[in-house]
Amino acid sequence: NAGVTQTPKFRVLKTGQSMTLLCAQDMNHEYMYWYRQDPGMGLRLIHYSVGEGTTAKGEVPDGYNVSRLKKQNFLLGLESAAPSQTSVYFCASSSGTGRSGYTFGSGTRLTVV
Amino acid sequence: AQSVAQPEDQVNVAEGNPLTVKCTYSVSGNPYLFWYVQYPNRGLQFLLKYITGDNLVKGSYGFEAEFNKSQTSFHLKKPSALVSDSALYFCAVIGGGFQKLVFGTGTRLLVSP
Repeated sequence: NAGVTQTPKFRVLKTGQSMTLLCAQDMNHEYMYWYRQDPGMGLRLIHYSVGEGTTAKGEVPDGYNVSRLKKQNFLLGLESAAPSQTSVYFCASSSGTGRSGYTFGSGTRLTVV
Repeated sequence: AQSVAQPEDQVNVAEGNPLTVKCTYSVSGNPYLFWYVQYPNRGLQFLLKYITGDNLVKGSYGFEAEFNKSQTSFHLKKPSALVSDSALYFCAVIGGGFQKLVFGTGTRLLVSP
């Protein structure tokens, strides 16, 4: 049982480049989330999805877009990367409202130069 | 609005001594409280949760946490620390209804031999 898988694990981008981070879960969870982790700031929610075909903004959505075309996948896109988007990105999923907790992927470390 | 406070950036403890990592929360309705641990270059791992019932919750690796409704706290504890417990610990909360998991800023635990 793989749980939540994120690809890639590491990436270096130049300012202005675009990229897509992929999150896949095999637990049939309805809810999926993208967080970014920055030193001293904990985890902040970027976007989330409550089911296939739905997306919603979180706490820090600017500069990011997401899509949930299939229930098991949640994609995070950066259209024009900026140095401020240098961070570690975590995907998570949960069943129902998440009161049983989230399952996290191992993260993507992104550096924008 | 939901919020979590972890007042200590770092906690230092000697191996074999008891440890406490503090967490206070603010939420509307009944809280669902969680502790996660993050080892270097890894994702977040679930430690324990409080949903309802007994105020003392036991979790993985010998950790436990005490829910105190009057003090709105959910401190993480372990009777005897191990060097291998050194990691970053996050407290998180969900309130009533569907609300997203909100994280504290994290506390780094350093256990010295």
